Amino acid sequence: EAGVAQSPRYKIIEKRQSVAFWCNPISGHATLYWYQQILGQGPKLLIQFQNNGVVDDSQLPKDRFSAERLKGVDSTLKIQPAKLEDSAVYLCASRGQGEIVAFFGQGTRLTVV
Amino acid sequence: RKEVEQDPGPFNVPEGATVAFNCTYSNSASQSFFWYRQDCRKEPKLLMSVYSSGNEDGRFTAQLNRASQYISLLIRDSKLSDSATYLCVAINDYKLSFGAGTTVTVRA
Repeated sequence: EAGVAQSPRYKIIEKRQSVAFWCNPISGHATLYWYQQILGQGPKLLIQFQNNGVVDDSQLPKDRFSAERLKGVDSTLKIQPAKLEDSAVYLCASRGQGEIVAFFGQGTRLTVV
Repeated sequence: RKEVEQDPGPFNVPEGATVAFNCTYSNSASQSFFWYRQDCRKEPKLLMSVYSSGNEDGRFTAQLNRASQYISLLIRDSKLSDSATYLCVAINDYKLSFGAGTTVTVRA
């Protein structure tokens, strides 16, 4: 079974630029999560989708971050404009209906300079 | 207060030693608990579930104490390959809340 796919693996941008990350969850998984993991910290939930609807985006900095999952499958996370403190690994995870365990992609490592 | 708190360590132990560490959670409504393992520059991967009755998976033992709201992980007969960061996870309404992780380094 294919895992959660994310791209790109690495991205370096200058502050105030825009960046987008892509995630393809495990086939059939209705729930999709985006997490931000800053070096030395645990993953922090940014947004949780159930199919194409948002379940929780309470910790998403909505002035600069946006995410969508229009068809309930792939998702994109965008940052515009980026700040230095956005440097982190952005992890996508998915979970199947009725399951508890979530599976993570390899993440996108963002460096803002 | 963070939802899940862990001792960051690091725990530096020799091969063959036993190492144990805890994690506390603040939301008493949390329904499920897990330990994830994260290797350097890799994504978190599920290590094991945590049940109130305690559960073992080989050299790993996990325990949940709902009254005191803490979870523990014990690693027996440590191997070099056990070196990693161990993330405690509490789940409430399918929202996963992670601790900051406990770093374990096993030395030869």
